[in-house]
Amino acid sequence: GENVEQHPSTLSVQEGDSAVIKCTYSDSASNYFPWYKQELGKRPQLIIDIRSNVGEKKDQRIAVTLNKTAKHFSLHITETQPEDSAVYFCAAMLQGGSEKLVFGKGTKLTVNP
Amino acid sequence: EAQVTQNPRYLITVTGKKLTVTCSQNMNHEYMSWYRQDPGLGLRQIYYSMNVEVTDKGDVPEGYKVSRKEKRNFPLILESPSPNQTSLYFCASSRPRLAPDTQYFGPGTRLTVL
Repeated sequence: GENVEQHPSTLSVQEGDSAVIKCTYSDSASNYFPWYKQELGKRPQLIIDIRSNVGEKKDQRIAVTLNKTAKHFSLHITETQPEDSAVYFCAAMLQGGSEKLVFGKGTKLTVNP
Repeated sequence: EAQVTQNPRYLITVTGKKLTVTCSQNMNHEYMSWYRQDPGLGLRQIYYSMNVEVTDKGDVPEGYKVSRKEKRNFPLILESPSPNQTSLYFCASSRPRLAPDTQYFGPGTRLTVL
C-alpha cells in the first residue's frame, strides 16, 4: 500500500522567510496530493492540492511542486507570517482506484515574529 | 451551511463499554471517511465509504466498525473499546470519485478510554 514520508517534523523560521516541507510517496499510481493545515485544537483544512498531470500550482504565498519521477512533492510558503504557524500534513491518494487517503506524519511550523 | 458534524465532541468511557460516534454531512457527498489522530503519528484512516452500503478498511481498522445505510451518515462503532483507542477522531466527506475535490473534516471527537 501507499506510504508517505514527510520532512521535517518541526520547522522554525523567522517572519518573512520562506518555508519548505517535503513529502515522498511510495505508490507511483497515486494521482492526487493535497496539503492540509491544522491549527491548534482545530480540524485539518485543505490549503492547496495538486494532481499528477500538473507539475506546479500556486495560490498567493503558497505553492506546491510535484516530481512524479522521483515520487516527491513539496509545499512552499513564501513571506511567512505568524498566522502560518500550524501543523501541516501532506497526503497522497489514488483517485479512481483505492480512494484511500494516506497522510504524512505532519510538520509543525513555527513562524517567529 | 455546508458542514460535517460529529457527536459527541468529547467522551470519556471505560474499557469494554460499547460506544458510537456519529458523523453526518449535508453536502450530498458520496465519499466519507474516519481518521484517528495521535501525536507523532499524524492522521490514519480507519474506514472509508465510497457510497451507501459500500465500506472499505483503511490502515487501522482493528477494533472499529462502520455502517453506511444512508448517504449523509457514517457512524463509527467501537464494540469493546480499549485504552489504545484513546485518540482524536475525525470524520470527513468529499464529492464523488474522479471529481476535483477536497475532504471536508468534522470538528473532531476526543475519546478517552479508561
